[in-house]
Order: sequence, then C-alpha cells, then structure tokens
Amino acid sequence: SQTIHQWPATLVQPVGSPLSLECTVEGTSNPNLYWYRQAAGRGLQLLFYSVGIGQISSEVPQNLSASRPQDRQFILSSKKLLLSDSGFYLCAWSEGPAMEQYFGPGTRLTVT
Amino acid sequence: ILNVEQSPQSLHVQEGDSTNFTCSFPSSNFYALHWYRWETAKSPEALFVMTLNGDEKKKGRISATLNTKEGYSYLYIKGSQPEDSATYLCASLTSGTYKYIFGTGTRLKVLA
Repeated sequence: SQTIHQWPATLVQPVGSPLSLECTVEGTSNPNLYWYRQAAGRGLQLLFYSVGIGQISSEVPQNLSASRPQDRQFILSSKKLLLSDSGFYLCAWSEGPAMEQYFGPGTRLTVT
Repeated sequence: ILNVEQSPQSLHVQEGDSTNFTCSFPSSNFYALHWYRWETAKSPEALFVMTLNGDEKKKGRISATLNTKEGYSYLYIKGSQPEDSATYLCASLTSGTYKYIFGTGTRLKVLA
C-alpha cells in the first residue's frame, strides 16, 4: 500500500532563516506531487506541483521554491523565511491530475 | 464565479439530523470536483471525485451531486453522527491544468 511521509511535524524558525521541508511517497511510482499551505483562517492554497523528476510548476510567486530530486521525493525550501510564511504545509500525491489526492500529516511552521 | 466558495462556513447539528453543504465553482472549462473530509489532527481524506454533469456518488451515509453547467455540488450527510464532525472541503480542477482550487471548507459539528 502507498504511504506518504512528511517531516518535521512542527517547526519554529526566525525570520530570515532558511527552510527545508521534505515529503516522500512509498508504494507508487511517478506520482503527481503537490505542496499546499493553509494560512490562518484561509483555505488550502496550492504552492507547487510536479508531474515528474525535475518538473516543478509554481502557482504563487513568493520566496519559496520546490525541488523533486527523486521520483518520490518532494522538497519545499526557502532561503529566507518571512513572517507571512507561517502556516500549515501539506504534501500530497495522486496517480493522475484528476484523481483523488492523498495527503501527508503536515508541518506546522511558525516564523517568529 | 472565479473562486471556489463553500457554504455555510460552519454548522452545528444534532445527532441524527440530516444536513447538506454547498460548493460553488467556476463552470467554464470544468474538469473535476473533489470532496475531502478533514478531521482535527488528521490529514484531509478523499470522499468523492466527480467529473460528469449529473454525477451522484454515495459512500455510506454521505452522498454528493454535481451540476457542472451551473457550477455547484451538494454534499449530503444522512443521520449525522458525532464522528462526522470535521471540515468538509471541495476542490475544483480546470481542464488543461493541474491547479486544484480549494474552498475554505464547511466546519461541521455534530452534537451528541
């Protein structure tokens, strides 16, 4: 069966510090991968998606970036965090663009 | 409609009551609509993936309908139970993109 891992679960970082969140999927190959953020009082916002290794599409201009170094690994990064980057970050995968998404446990990021 | 809108924002019902929520989405270039249930301290879990106008799907006491021409979907819960308490999210996918647009959700609380 398929499993999605995401870490860390919680993170408190000062403004201006770097960020690296990792997501890995097991039990499937060539998944579509997604990064979402839920800011306080807001809905889930798609940040990045990837349909293959090295293929990243960005939906929202910001100081975040994503990479997919391996088929089942998706990394969200920032060189310098802003206060507005605080939120709950979810990684998800699907077998295809219209198919149901499976979400990871999420990372609660607080930028102080 | 340019965004995905859900109503009501929150809802309290008594155990045994039936209830329904609305998801409104852009009808032009529609490709798929997803419903998810998001329980506190858990990850969102897919309920339904709907693609065809007139689609009706059912899972236990929960069912959903889809009207792609007018851009809305209804989620129904029959005989609500306390374990149905969660936030219910819908997400719309436009054809030719991988960009899911999520609504802000309907927060359901079922009182025993």
